[in-house]
Amino acid sequence: QKEVEQNSGPLSVPEGAIASLNCTYSDRGSQSFFWYRQYSGKSPELIMFIYSNGDKEDGRFTAQLNKASQYVSLLIRDSQPSDSATYLCAVGSADSWGKLQFGAGTQVVVTP
Amino acid sequence: GAVVSQHPSRVICKSGTSVKIECRSLDFQATTMFWYRQFPKQSLMLMATSNEGSKATYEQGVEKDKFLINHASLTLSTLTVTSAHPEDSSFYICSARDRPSGGRETQYFGPGTRLLVL
Repeated sequence: QKEVEQNSGPLSVPEGAIASLNCTYSDRGSQSFFWYRQYSGKSPELIMFIYSNGDKEDGRFTAQLNKASQYVSLLIRDSQPSDSATYLCAVGSADSWGKLQFGAGTQVVVTP
Repeated sequence: GAVVSQHPSRVICKSGTSVKIECRSLDFQATTMFWYRQFPKQSLMLMATSNEGSKATYEQGVEKDKFLINHASLTLSTLTVTSAHPEDSSFYICSARDRPSGGRETQYFGPGTRLLVL
C-alpha cells in the first residue's frame, strides 16, 4: 500500500511567523511532488511542485525535497490569516503516469 | 496556472436519478483527466483516470457501471453518477493533466461539484 503521511494538525501559527509542514511518502520510486492548498468547501489549488532534491522557493513558499529520506516539506514565511487552510501533500505515482497519491492534509490556522 | 472548470457547481437530486458532471480544461488540451471524491474532513480519493478516446481506468472499489466516465474530446470529460443514492452525496472534483512543451507536467483541479442526493 503506497502511502503519503501528514500530520493532521491543526498547526497554529502566529501571524508573521513561519509555518512548517511535513510529508513522508512510501513509494521510493516517486519522482514528482506537489503541495496543494484547500480552503474549506473549495477544491485544491496548486501552490508548489518540486521534482529535484533540495529547496525550491516561490514567493513566501519554500518546498524542500529529500528523496533519500522520502520526505518533502513546505515552509510558509510571514504567515498571514489568509494562509489558514488545509495543505495537501501529493506524490506522483512511479508506476502510473500522472496519478497522484494524496496525504490527508495538515490544517493550518494563522492567528492574528 | 491553467484553468479547469466544472459544471454544475452544486446539484441536489432525488434518489434513483442520474447526475452528469462536466469537467473542461479551458486553456490547454488534456489527454488525461482524473476524477476524485472527497467526503467531509477526508482527503481526496481518486476514483478513476479518464483518457481521451479510450476507456477510463477505475480504482479498486469504484463501480464502473455506477460512475460512467466519457472523455470525448481533449478538453472535456464527463462523470455520470447513475441511480444516485444518499451515500453518493459527496464533493466530486476533477483534475486535468497539463504537460506544456519543454515543461514539467502538473495537475490542475476544477472547482468541484457538490452532490446531495435526497
